[in-house]
Amino acid sequence: EPEVTQTPSHQVTQMGQEVILRCVPISNHLYFYWYRQILGQKVEFLVSFYNNEISEKSEIFDDQFSVERPDGSNFTLKIRSTKLEDSAMYFCASTMGLGLAGALEQYFGPGTRLTVT
Amino acid sequence: KNEVEQSPQNLTAQEGEFITINCSYSVGISALHWLQQHPGGGIVSLFMLSSGKKKHGRLIATINIQEKHSSLHITASHPRDSAVYICAVMDSNYQLIWGAGTKLIIKP
Repeated sequence: EPEVTQTPSHQVTQMGQEVILRCVPISNHLYFYWYRQILGQKVEFLVSFYNNEISEKSEIFDDQFSVERPDGSNFTLKIRSTKLEDSAMYFCASTMGLGLAGALEQYFGPGTRLTVT
Repeated sequence: KNEVEQSPQNLTAQEGEFITINCSYSVGISALHWLQQHPGGGIVSLFMLSSGKKKHGRLIATINIQEKHSSLHITASHPRDSAVYICAVMDSNYQLIWGAGTKLIIKP
């Protein structure tokens, strides 16, 4: 069964460094998402991406964050200058998009645990 | 702003018991998801529903759009069902708004 993959599974970085989290969505999916879960807290929406541009973004997704689909298969989340509070699990998800009945199910990657020291 | 409330926050039960987890939300939605998160952190989508009822194995999900309420039921619960169960609603912008989750422990 097709699945969403994410790399790395765990990334440790120093405060102020740039990180790139990588996701490979399911190949025929059209909508892509990043979510964040700080330890012990709810999952939070960061950004959705469709047709090579951002569809929606949350208040969390400030100028330090960017997303890109550089080559038609990867979907990346870049954090320019990491802060301690960026430490979290980051999940990528994808969906085929909108069916006749509305939104279709999202498929989630296993997550990347980012630790900022 | 759409709030998603789940109850209970924590639930411990004996193997074989019938489990119910509830979810309420405050504004109109296009769909509701039930998801499972295991201790390792991975998230698996269990159901997406916008009306009525869905069943998959021992799992049943129901939704009442008028009352803005959904329930997830597990029949004949088993220790391997132990996980965090999360309700998330899709708003009119197709963004998922997540509940805090219900931590379920099934004891043998």
